[in-house]
Amino acid sequence: NAGVTQTPKFQVLKTGQSMTLQCAQDMNHEYMSWYRQDPGMGLRLIHYSVGAGITDQGEVPNGYNVSRSTTEDFPLRLLSAAPSQTSVYFCASRAGTPGDGYTFGSGTRLTVV
Amino acid sequence: GNSVTQMEGPVTLSEEAFLTINCTYTATGYPSLFWYVQYPGEGLQLLLKATKADDKGSNKGFEATYRKETTSFHLEKGSVQVSDSAVYFCALTPNNDMRFGAGTRLTVKP
Repeated sequence: NAGVTQTPKFQVLKTGQSMTLQCAQDMNHEYMSWYRQDPGMGLRLIHYSVGAGITDQGEVPNGYNVSRSTTEDFPLRLLSAAPSQTSVYFCASRAGTPGDGYTFGSGTRLTVV
Repeated sequence: GNSVTQMEGPVTLSEEAFLTINCTYTATGYPSLFWYVQYPGEGLQLLLKATKADDKGSNKGFEATYRKETTSFHLEKGSVQVSDSAVYFCALTPNNDMRFGAGTRLTVKP
């Protein structure tokens, strides 16, 4: 009963480097999403997916790419890291309708220096 | 647009005190409303939810009522414990875009 698994838990990048944050869920949820959490700003939606092969932009998509080749996995790619992308990143999934509520991963703390 | 405004923290209470964290929202249509809790170093956990007007969500002694006339979803608990210390987020989702408030940090002292 793993739920939503995110890796790595911590990461330090240099400006301009690229990396992929991994997210996997074992609940057969169709909907998955990525959020970033910054102090005093709550969580902001980066990208989301309503099923394999379908992705869409959220509130703050710039600088990030996603793909959804399987139901289980939804990786988030930082193409060229910037200090403004220093944040805590959460992956979430849900079943069925928006009223079902989300299951969150434990987060990835990313620092860009 | 869709947005959530919740009371700023931090909130500090003594054990067994009454808790209210205010949350108001702006939305088109009829969103579902949620409260999530985040303990240190962890992801968000769903605390309670309500999917239509006048519904009351409840869990672990916490309650919130979906008030469409005042566009509010205030979180309440009659007697808080030290273990309730966490950050609480109000959220709404009319569609595939869940919007969160900024979060309210609660500290309960023994």
